[in-house]
Amino acid sequence: DTAVSQTPKYLVTQMGNDKSIKCEQNLGHDTMYWYKQDSKKFLKIMFSYNNKELIINETVPNRFSPKSPDKAHLNLHINSLELGDSAVYFCASSQGPIYNEQFFGPGTRLTVL
Amino acid sequence: DAKTTQPNSMESNEEEPVHLPCNHSTISGTDYIHWYRQLPSQGPEYVIHGLTSNVNNRMASLAIAEDRKSSTLILHRATLRDAAVYYCILRAPLNAGNNRKLIWGLGTSLAVNP
Repeated sequence: DTAVSQTPKYLVTQMGNDKSIKCEQNLGHDTMYWYKQDSKKFLKIMFSYNNKELIINETVPNRFSPKSPDKAHLNLHINSLELGDSAVYFCASSQGPIYNEQFFGPGTRLTVL
Repeated sequence: DAKTTQPNSMESNEEEPVHLPCNHSTISGTDYIHWYRQLPSQGPEYVIHGLTSNVNNRMASLAIAEDRKSSTLILHRATLRDAAVYYCILRAPLNAGNNRKLIWGLGTSLAVNP
């Protein structure tokens, strides 16, 4: 079983569309994260949830809205997609916000045309 | 946020030790030093972390300078599977509020020759 899974793996869409990326972890972890990795391979945190509560919210356009229906899921909804949103998005989880080891999903490659 | 500096790339031969350096001269006294690696087309994978003392685990060893301004990740015997980008990251402790996030740099791309 995959510990942290994301769907879809690839997402190609037009500018202006709205899309969602889903993430699920079966590790029983309390904390989940969304990261964005740009074309230069620079990885930047976007959001973090602990027990469904938002604990980290970086300077991200409000077109990005995370939703955590339960501890095992953290979805990312993106409105009005722009060319600059093209990147690989990684979901991750950790046992708690103070635990050092984060487990990453395989990533979702988003291409905005 | 304190930042890290790593060489862009390094090369090693299979079954030889590899020393991956990292400078973090602006580290604060309570920042943890983390190492992750990212294999091609995969998500990052935790390798090791430490605060002041050297650390060992099944994957690698972490040597931390006495002044904590630099650290070195040591792979004792490189394998082809170790070819990846290695990230040295600092993390503030939980009581730093929102700043407990990981601050990622661009990492070192390690090539392993057979």
